[in-house]
Amino acid sequence: AQSVTQLGSHVSVSEGALVLLRCNYSSSVPPYLFWYVQYPNQGLQLLLKYTSAATLVKGINGFEAEFKKSETSFHLTKPSAHMSDAAEYFCAVSSDTGANSKLTFGKGITLSVRP
Amino acid sequence: SQTIHQWPATLVQPVGSPLSLECTVEGTSNPNLYWYRQAAGRGLQLLFYSVGIGQISSEVPQNLSASRPQDRQFILSSKKLLLSDSGFYLCAWRKKGPNYGYTFGSGTRLTVV
Repeated sequence: AQSVTQLGSHVSVSEGALVLLRCNYSSSVPPYLFWYVQYPNQGLQLLLKYTSAATLVKGINGFEAEFKKSETSFHLTKPSAHMSDAAEYFCAVSSDTGANSKLTFGKGITLSVRP
Repeated sequence: SQTIHQWPATLVQPVGSPLSLECTVEGTSNPNLYWYRQAAGRGLQLLFYSVGIGQISSEVPQNLSASRPQDRQFILSSKKLLLSDSGFYLCAWRKKGPNYGYTFGSGTRLTVV
């Protein structure tokens, strides 16, 4: 079984401040991990993914995440928040990369950016 | 390049009416296809997935069904909608094999009244 926990439902930062969105996973096998962003009434856009290569993953829009097996974490960070980063962010895990692969999502975190 | 299309974008339906949402993928073959539902404040829930034509796996027993009549077409249906079926429905696809991500459509906002 696989699951994802995203602590808190809402994070608010000032423009230019560090963004840190937390994600912890549970998986019985080495996981594949993903972060997605969703703007209002839109689909999900892939920010980055971890697929067992480098533990520090760089994504689009200046975001990155670090896979820490000992902490079962995959936190998302961005050094300097921009107003356009305001959106909902989802962490997801997939433990099966074969034919029956499926994504399990966390409940999401809403990021607000204050001017 | 591969693209995924979902329609309609918004839908308002009365309780008890039927439902048909369609999703098609272009530029690839034999993809895995998925239907997710996003209810307010509840994250994304996997409803159905398909690894091939006519092959449907249901994750959550409910009022909905799915079909895959063609390789790149995935349909979500209901015979009689309930108020609890309201939500944002997202279709996604993925190439088979490791290291491939999931690509999502733009979603359908369904309101059952």
